[in-house]
Amino acid sequence: ETGVTQTPRHLVMGMTNKKSLKCEQHLGHNAMYWYKQSAKKPLELMFVYNFKEQTENNSVPSRFSPECPNSSHLFLHLHTLQPEDSALYLCASSQGQGFGYTFGSGTRLTVV
Amino acid sequence: QKEVEQDPGPLSVPEGAIVSLNCTYSNSAFQYFMWYRQYSRKGPELLMYTYSSGNKEDGRFTAQVDKSSKYISLFIRDSQPSDSATYLCAMSAFNAGGTSYGKLTFGQGTILTVHP
Repeated sequence: ETGVTQTPRHLVMGMTNKKSLKCEQHLGHNAMYWYKQSAKKPLELMFVYNFKEQTENNSVPSRFSPECPNSSHLFLHLHTLQPEDSALYLCASSQGQGFGYTFGSGTRLTVV
Repeated sequence: QKEVEQDPGPLSVPEGAIVSLNCTYSNSAFQYFMWYRQYSRKGPELLMYTYSSGNKEDGRFTAQVDKSSKYISLFIRDSQPSDSATYLCAMSAFNAGGTSYGKLTFGQGTILTVHP
């Protein structure tokens, strides 16, 4: 496998469920990111990890909980989400920060 | 005021047309400017990046940056149906020490359709 892989591709969950999104990068990059993409809105940065350490939490509600066990894996744990959290969640990685991001194909999340 | 403004379109052009996509921004600290292309049901892919002002050409694509006007453009010559996608501009700033701040700020994206 190459690039950035995200699973699952699609997820439907109820507001009381707990689920996790997974991201894996095979590029040897040292920075990983979670972005939220909603219709008619710019990509919103959620979290940044640099060498496994969280360097940015962009005022994300606590119902989203990231985890970065190593430089190749990134998780987004979800619980008690709201319908307005329905969106495409994109993972990205880069060598260094600031440009040259490689994105995964995203997880299309629907909260019912 | 949004940091980055991009007309969402949609923009529809005939095959072979020259396409012009634009973004304006308000943060004068932005130094790196990028264009991403996003096909339906895919993540964005980096198309071009430029540093500071000037032009950069890659095949049918030309990126222009005018920092004095805080305005960036992407031109697509001889557009093809395969160019149909959403195009996102993105930019990042550097801190005073010269290292990357690390945060990309994106425009809303412009939906482009090139019809045969």
